[in-house]
Amino acid sequence: DSGVTQTPKHLITATGQRVTLRCSPRSGDLSVYWYQQSLDQGLQFLIQYYNGEERAKGNILERFSAQQFPDLHSELNLSSLELGDSALYFCASSDRDNYGYTFGSGTRLTVV
Amino acid sequence: AQSVTQPDIHITVSEGASLELRCNYSYGATPYLFWYVQSPGQGLQLLLKYFSGDTLVQGIKGFEAEFKRSQSSFNLRKPSVHWSDAAEYFCAVGARAAGNKLTFGGGTRVLVKP
Repeated sequence: DSGVTQTPKHLITATGQRVTLRCSPRSGDLSVYWYQQSLDQGLQFLIQYYNGEERAKGNILERFSAQQFPDLHSELNLSSLELGDSALYFCASSDRDNYGYTFGSGTRLTVV
Repeated sequence: AQSVTQPDIHITVSEGASLELRCNYSYGATPYLFWYVQSPGQGLQLLLKYFSGDTLVQGIKGFEAEFKRSQSSFNLRKPSVHWSDAAEYFCAVGARAAGNKLTFGGGTRVLVKP
């Protein structure tokens, strides 16, 4: 157990639907990062939050959004889902000084 | 912008043989470098990291990596591979100026022959 908790582990949904992925960071970590892993694109950085505020944005589609709550857990919202959004979505966390991520075990999203 | 290249998509190695995985990075300043391992269906686990200092870094599971600034490389090595080392390995580069964002290479899948 890495200490980063992601739920759900698996999600199957239809095109056009909206889903929410949840991440609880390791205790004491203020930063949360979201990555998408697919066969054709590899590991792509989506977005980072630090202590509730957006810190950096990567290749995140406009249909996707995220937030970090006061208790530091984060949610990634994916809407108007397309077949191509099927992927593993990872959350990682880090603290301010211990540079280097701790990853969760991921959420496998399948869009049918 | 930072980038990472892992030239080998697949590597097959016999159990007990040595392993070297290549990683080349592009970054304008001194990078922070990482190696992660991902077993099937699992998340990524940090093997080792380089921030500064000694260019030979020791990690978990018997892995080590060497930072060579002149070659922009950070290759991962293990002297004797075990069947449990079969996994996908990712090299990553980061910079504190980029908000600690890590950029990952495409990964190298390691197969271990008995």
